[in-house]
Amino acid sequence: SQQGEEDPQALSIQEGENATMNCSYKTSINNLQWYRQNSGRGLVHLILIRSNEREKHSGRLRVTLDTSKKSSSLLITASRAADTASYFCATDARNAGGTSYGKLTFGQGTILTVHP
Amino acid sequence: DTGVSQDPRHKITKRGQNVTFRCDPISEHNRLYWYRQTLGQGPEFLTYFQNEAQLEKSRLLSDRFSAERPKGSFSTLEIQRTEQGDSAMYLCASSLVAKNIQYFGAGTRLSVL
Repeated sequence: SQQGEEDPQALSIQEGENATMNCSYKTSINNLQWYRQNSGRGLVHLILIRSNEREKHSGRLRVTLDTSKKSSSLLITASRAADTASYFCATDARNAGGTSYGKLTFGQGTILTVHP
Repeated sequence: DTGVSQDPRHKITKRGQNVTFRCDPISEHNRLYWYRQTLGQGPEFLTYFQNEAQLEKSRLLSDRFSAERPKGSFSTLEIQRTEQGDSAMYLCASSLVAKNIQYFGAGTRLSVL
């Protein structure tokens, strides 16, 4: 299976509810990032959490990272119809020298639908 | 617009033809990446450059694929003798070395008939 697998594959909620997406990965990382993609368009960076951080907030977004379980979660609070998109986690893997490989490895994504 | 731009946005070609895509990164970014994304999947890494040097190529990048970044500015991705399996969205991204936050273009959607 691929690095950076998201769960669930699809999530459907009502406006105002919270949405939680999970991501698992396999290798040592420098950081983990979350991106959003609206239908058929490019990806937009949402938030980055470093391997030595456990939680990070940005507006309505909250990301957690558990390196012992190689997992992360993204929480979107008070969701809006405009949050409807695909969400991807991406890992920036650490090489033997302890630095970044540079490339990101993406999961398959979670499709979030927020109904007004 | 100072974001990453890709051209063309859509390309329809017949099997066996060659195609070339262009990516213009954010001007001060020294890293440039190419990814491929098929329907329902996340982007898959193809290759990346730091300035004009191509530092890594994925095993996905067969001999029919070649990428260049002359003078460390824009980049081109060429696919020779296209196959139907090449149909995908080709995404370009750029970043600064110090911060690996990648900024993506809108992509070039390739359809091989």
